[in-house]
Amino acid sequence: DTGVSQDPRHKITKRGQNVTFRCDPISEHNRLYWYRQTLGQGPEFLTYFQNEAQLEKSRLLSDRFSAERPKGSFSTLEIQRTEQGDSAMYLCASSDSYAGQSDGYTFGSGTRLTVV
Amino acid sequence: AQRVTQPEKLLSVFKGAPVELKCNYSYSGSPELFWYVQYSRQRLQLLLRHISRESIKGFTADLNKGETSFHLKKPFAQEEDSAMYYCALRGTYKYIFGTGTRLKVLA
Repeated sequence: DTGVSQDPRHKITKRGQNVTFRCDPISEHNRLYWYRQTLGQGPEFLTYFQNEAQLEKSRLLSDRFSAERPKGSFSTLEIQRTEQGDSAMYLCASSDSYAGQSDGYTFGSGTRLTVV
Repeated sequence: AQRVTQPEKLLSVFKGAPVELKCNYSYSGSPELFWYVQYSRQRLQLLLRHISRESIKGFTADLNKGETSFHLKKPFAQEEDSAMYYCALRGTYKYIFGTGTRLKVLA
């Protein structure tokens, strides 16, 4: 297991195009998170899955954003009709959950999106 | 409101000097706090958790509920400590990150 994998590492797209990113979490982790990070900021929460259920979505996630995690394994994040303001690093993280403890996240390397 | 504040964007210290990276939080319940680190060209990784009361790479952090702080400390900085450090607060489902402090350890 090589940890959390994200694909692609970099994506340049024209404004108005749709893009899709993929995240493969650590196989035994049932929790998966998407975050967005812009220059000079810390990661900002976008959405959270426990197994295949999407349990929380940030208000940052407009209607143009959608995320899925079919079968509770990998996840995809799609952005429709991209805007220049969507340019950011998109981070995926996963974690395990067990009663009474919080183990922190394992992050992927991220997908850097540039909208031109 | 749940919030994490890291007041310093950049902290420069000389090798061997003590380091303190500040983190203050706002949270109504019982907080769980973390420090994450990102070395150059590497992914964000967990450094330590307050719940474990551990020391990792010589770093420690104590939760002070009275001052709502979780400052990261190291008595003697090393050049390899140069990195971006993020303080994070665990909310109901998610972590709330501060804006980060870049630590530069000068030779």
